[in-house]
Amino acid sequence: QKEVEQDPGPLSVPEGAIVSLNCTYSNSAFQYFMWYRQYSRKGPELLMYTYSSGNKEDGRFTAQVDKSSKYISLFIRDSQPSDSATYLCAMKGYQKVTFGTGTKLQVIP
Amino acid sequence: ETGVTQTPRHLVMGMTNKKSLKCEQHLGHNAMYWYKQSAKKPLELMFVYSLEERVENNSVPSRFSPECPNSSHLFLHLHTLQPEDSALYLCASSQVPSGNGYTFGSGTRLTVV
Repeated sequence: QKEVEQDPGPLSVPEGAIVSLNCTYSNSAFQYFMWYRQYSRKGPELLMYTYSSGNKEDGRFTAQVDKSSKYISLFIRDSQPSDSATYLCAMKGYQKVTFGTGTKLQVIP
Repeated sequence: ETGVTQTPRHLVMGMTNKKSLKCEQHLGHNAMYWYKQSAKKPLELMFVYSLEERVENNSVPSRFSPECPNSSHLFLHLHTLQPEDSALYLCASSQVPSGNGYTFGSGTRLTVV
């Protein structure tokens, strides 16, 4: 079993839709949870960083962590064409960061 | 310049060539990383330097050789690569132990012919 599972997509949604991106994990040692956005021909950029279970909101983005289910989500409200990118989840235990494979999102105008 | 800068952006090399990738960070971070990104695979950590000392080498073939002359600069020296080494090579930096995530460069797209 992979430590981090992420559906690669692609996921296509119309502009204005609510997008839900998800990852599951198997390692109970993961304490920190991150979402990165990667545009084509660019490196990943950090979107959200959370430590505890619950929700964290930043503008149109909400990160949700459920440690009991080993499940994390990123919600994007009022999605825009500029949100079209690959979204990578990442998790960290004591030292090492483990990344998901990324979900490719396309927001259609 | 700000953030993490990688050069070159694109590199095509033959299997017998020797080349180097360069990374520079302008964030005052104390740790730097090399990652390999291949299609449909998670980011693979190759090397970690913390306070200019290599602290991790994830079973990377010896044809990849990192160098970290100071906390702002990181190199990846390449020689006798294989076609399967073609990938996007990403450099990242962070502040340890207190940092919140990595800052990545735009990567070097490497093609081995």
